[in-house]
Amino acid sequence: GAGVSQSPRYKVAKRGQDVALRCDPISGHVSLFWYQQALGQGPEFLTYFQNEAQLDKSGLPSDRFFAERPEGSVSTLKIQRTQKEDSAVYLCASSLGQELNTIYFGEGSWLTVV
Amino acid sequence: QKEVEQNSGPLSVPEGAIASLNCTYSDRGSQSFFWYRQYSGKSPELIMSIYSNGDKEDGRFTAQLNKASQYVSLLIRDSQPSDSATYLCACPSGSARQLTFGSGTQLTVLP
Repeated sequence: GAGVSQSPRYKVAKRGQDVALRCDPISGHVSLFWYQQALGQGPEFLTYFQNEAQLDKSGLPSDRFFAERPEGSVSTLKIQRTQKEDSAVYLCASSLGQELNTIYFGEGSWLTVV
Repeated sequence: QKEVEQNSGPLSVPEGAIASLNCTYSDRGSQSFFWYRQYSGKSPELIMSIYSNGDKEDGRFTAQLNKASQYVSLLIRDSQPSDSATYLCACPSGSARQLTFGSGTQLTVLP
């Protein structure tokens, strides 16, 4: 497809389970971002990749959160030992270069931890 | 204090009216500002960017920036029911590859 694709769209996890969220950016896009959006809030930055290099992971809330982009295209956000406070929409975004005005967001993975 | 603050609303305006959405930011060094529109259950979509003081117009949308007051606003003229969405203000922060978002203003345009 032409846009940023995320899967799964919806995920229900039991507390303590590990989850993996996948992002397929727009083909050729160098920059890839992960954001977390809680209900009724704006997105909050988690991490940024330029190609395969993770240049900023300052927004990851704990060491239970891990992201990778091994070949510089598809990215996976992994959350270990999920907690209820991890329930949110996880948005992936990509851009061709470094300009912030050309970022395209995917529709998100909705995670509910029960 | 959050770096980007928005009046959380919700805001309701009648069809055809002007909707005014406001945002303040704390980082005086911020140079660029973005307005995103997010329909319920959908991804944020960039609708306006502004980099210098003054007004920037694009169709029915006008962004206004006042760096001295650390204030940025979005005006929507001739509001339509299809404009009903949450509007998010954002600016770069941290490594400058991060966008910091406000919490959003939910707008409803009543037919």
